[in-house]
Amino acid sequence: LAKTTQPISMDSYEGQEVNITCSHNNIATNDYITWYQQFPSQGPRFIIQGYKTKVTNEVASLFIPADRKSSTLSLPRVSLSDTAVYYCLVGDVRWRQLTFGSGTQLTVLP
Amino acid sequence: NAGVTQTPKFQVLKTGQSMTLQCAQDMNHNSMYWYRQDPGMGLRLIYYSASEGTTDKGEVPNGYNVSRLNKREFSLRLESAAPSQTSVYFCASSVGGTSGSAVENEQFFGPGTRLTVL
Repeated sequence: LAKTTQPISMDSYEGQEVNITCSHNNIATNDYITWYQQFPSQGPRFIIQGYKTKVTNEVASLFIPADRKSSTLSLPRVSLSDTAVYYCLVGDVRWRQLTFGSGTQLTVLP
Repeated sequence: NAGVTQTPKFQVLKTGQSMTLQCAQDMNHNSMYWYRQDPGMGLRLIYYSASEGTTDKGEVPNGYNVSRLNKREFSLRLESAAPSQTSVYFCASSVGGTSGSAVENEQFFGPGTRLTVL
């Protein structure tokens, strides 16, 4: 399973764009990159998944360079309610073996 | 449509006691999972069931057993609880499949069971 490295914590202000980068140097050919969000006392919630280049949905964008050794989750115009832990997961999702690291605690300040 | 439900929400056990955590989903998903989350850490996969009738070990299966009772239900059993099993347990489900698409692989999580073993 690919090991991921992401910052332990980040602070931002309301209305700013936030970029959280995840490093996954030993990503395998069949691996996908998935991001989840978790609020205190709740289960994680899926944000976005990608394999290469850029993926965008209604809440976030995921940028993946050509070598796929890192990825960046971009949250546009964050609000206080985006304060949460964000997990970067890398794995062959067809085999269901996903590994959650320690995540990044994002704190959005007023 | 309740999504993924878990019972109980809280449980306190003494060392050596047994219990079963229940999980059910009403989304007609094929795959189901059990995770544990220790304070300040990410989730670790205990067991998963890719489809009805199959179960496989995850990262930390020791001390646990699972049963995929039917397509809807996936239970986790602790035969002889130990203090090291104090944790929050999450059940999740997904459509499942082999295409790797986000639709198939997005996991939906339950609210969790907070277990304390004394």
